[in-house]
Amino acid sequence: SQTIHQWPATLVQPVGSPLSLECTVEGTSNPNLYWYRQAAGRGLQLLFYSVGIGQISSEVPQNLSASRPQDRQFILSSKKLLLSDSGFYLCAWRGTGRAFFGQGTRLTVV
Amino acid sequence: RKEVEQDPGPFNVPEGATVAFNCTYSNSASQSFFWYRQDCRKEPKLLMSVYSSGNEDGRFTAQLNRASQYISLLIRDSKLSDSATYLCVVNRRSGNTPLVFGKGTRLSVIA
Repeated sequence: SQTIHQWPATLVQPVGSPLSLECTVEGTSNPNLYWYRQAAGRGLQLLFYSVGIGQISSEVPQNLSASRPQDRQFILSSKKLLLSDSGFYLCAWRGTGRAFFGQGTRLTVV
Repeated sequence: RKEVEQDPGPFNVPEGATVAFNCTYSNSASQSFFWYRQDCRKEPKLLMSVYSSGNEDGRFTAQLNRASQYISLLIRDSKLSDSATYLCVVNRRSGNTPLVFGKGTRLSVIA
């Protein structure tokens, strides 16, 4: 069966520090992968999606970037975090229509 | 106009009540529709897909109205454990294109 791993679960980072969140998928090949962010009390905002290695589509301009160095690995990064980057970051993969989510990373920028 | 719109609630209902949520979407090319449930501080999980003919899963009934571009979720005999945020989700186009999530409707079932 397919599983999606995301880490860390929680993260507290100072403003201006770099960020790297990793997501890996098991049990499937060539998955479509997504990064979403959910700010406190708000809906899920699609940040990036990838249909294959090295292929990244960005939904909104922002302080973040994404990379897909391997088929089942999707990384979300920032060179310098802002306070507004705080939120709940969710990685997801798409299979037969529905989306499966990782457990999320709760990021607090202080 | 937002791609997917939902009433944020909260809906506060007593146990045993029937409650209905609606959701509208703006892209008439949308092909797939889902309801997800999200518990506090947790990831969203699929509740049910929504089919053109409508579908039922136990106490939950989902319906799609393509002409008016809305989907609905009906929960009968509400349980305390139904308390959560319900997210309306739409696929922009056919295939594995990104899913677009509504902001969710919060439901609190009260004893």
